[in-house]
Amino acid sequence: AQSVAQPEDQVNVAEGNPLTVKCTYSVSGNPYLFWYVQYPNRGLQFLLKYITGDNLVKGSYGFEAEFNKSQTSFHLKKPFALVSDSALYFCAVRPYPFAGSARQLTFGSGTQLTVLP
Amino acid sequence: DTEVTQTPKHLVMGMTNKKSLKCEQHMGHRAMYWYKQKAKKPPELMFVYSYEKLSINESVPSRFSPECPNSSLLNLHLHALQPEDSALYLCASSHPSGDRGPNTGELFFGEGSRLTVL
Repeated sequence: AQSVAQPEDQVNVAEGNPLTVKCTYSVSGNPYLFWYVQYPNRGLQFLLKYITGDNLVKGSYGFEAEFNKSQTSFHLKKPFALVSDSALYFCAVRPYPFAGSARQLTFGSGTQLTVLP
Repeated sequence: DTEVTQTPKHLVMGMTNKKSLKCEQHMGHRAMYWYKQKAKKPPELMFVYSYEKLSINESVPSRFSPECPNSSLLNLHLHALQPEDSALYLCASSHPSGDRGPNTGELFFGEGSRLTVL
């Protein structure tokens, strides 16, 4: 069975500082990895994905994530945090090739990011 | 702006009411999903439609009844709900799991319908 762990429920960072939101995964086969962001009272917005190729993936709003196969991690990063980045962040994984019920997306528990002015 | 549109944004209903949530997408996706999300928690998969056919029902109580009238529309009919069903209901779409292509994998979510059951 596949799983995703986001070890931090809450991350606080000062505006202008770099931010990291951690994610580790477990999946049979090769992983497709995703980050989503959810602002208060909104739906989930797709930020970025790793499918194959370059381990450093760039996404929306200046975010990037680094795929590390040996550590089974996919941490989300941004060099300079903004107050407007404050939101709930979800990491998600699905296996490739897709098989049975595992073809659906598995979400992590979420990390609340608060950027302090 | 999201390309998956959900209506209504807010819904308050009693336990004996019948109501429906609606979702529409025009991205040409042939897979559509209903998720339930409680506050500060990850979305929980309820139903998946692939090519307008129900492919996954995650043991959802029968008081929730999905419908997919065509490739762009997805409904969730609600009847005799309980207060614990109060949540944010999210619709999403994607290319079906068996398809290959540049967009394989990620889901596109609507803004959700906030349901309160009294």
